[in-house]
Amino acid sequence: SAVISQKPSRDICQRGTSLTIQCQVDSQVTMMFWYRQQPGQSLTLIATANQGSEATYESGFVIDKFPISRPNLTFSTLTVSNMSPEDSSIYLCSVGAGAGNTIYFGEGSWLTVV
Amino acid sequence: EDQVTQSPEALRLQEGESSSLNCSYTVSGLRGLFWYRQDPGKGPEFLFTLYSAGEEKEKERLKATLTKKESFLHITAPKPEDSATYLCAVQPRNTGGFKTIFGAGTRLFVKA
Repeated sequence: SAVISQKPSRDICQRGTSLTIQCQVDSQVTMMFWYRQQPGQSLTLIATANQGSEATYESGFVIDKFPISRPNLTFSTLTVSNMSPEDSSIYLCSVGAGAGNTIYFGEGSWLTVV
Repeated sequence: EDQVTQSPEALRLQEGESSSLNCSYTVSGLRGLFWYRQDPGKGPEFLFTLYSAGEEKEKERLKATLTKKESFLHITAPKPEDSATYLCAVQPRNTGGFKTIFGAGTRLFVKA
């Protein structure tokens, strides 16, 4: 399985600011995804990060709020824009790899908006 | 609608007290069912993939089984370090390759 590194691992952010989360994978992967996990909730897919093209967003998530970059097959960023307390969540970078379409996750970026 | 329901929401066990976690799913054709372990504030750690009814997978004190409607994660003689949230997820066959639907998880607490 791929090793997925995320930065920052944790941050406290001021309301109205934006934060960019970086995701680095130790091998080239075709499929990269960004998930959100709000406190006490399960995982919700934000978008699929497409290499060289615009991300594909799930219902309820928009590019203006969650812009995503994917410049190559090992790196992606997710920006959480104009943050409010409701954006306090763990944001997870993940990749699809290996047999059986398995999703592997990074350690997560735990954001608290105050 | 594709759906995953996990029960119980929380489970408290004494060390050595074996039990099972349940994952019921409704999906229009199953590509795969996945189990993950998640520690507080961390990303989920992949445990198992099951593909067809009757299949079983084992890892240390954990064994996952699959039927046509549900999966069980059996924990034999648990230890305090097994305390975590266990997530179940399914991939429907009739969607894009990696579309994955997660359950809400079961929080397991094992007391020494």
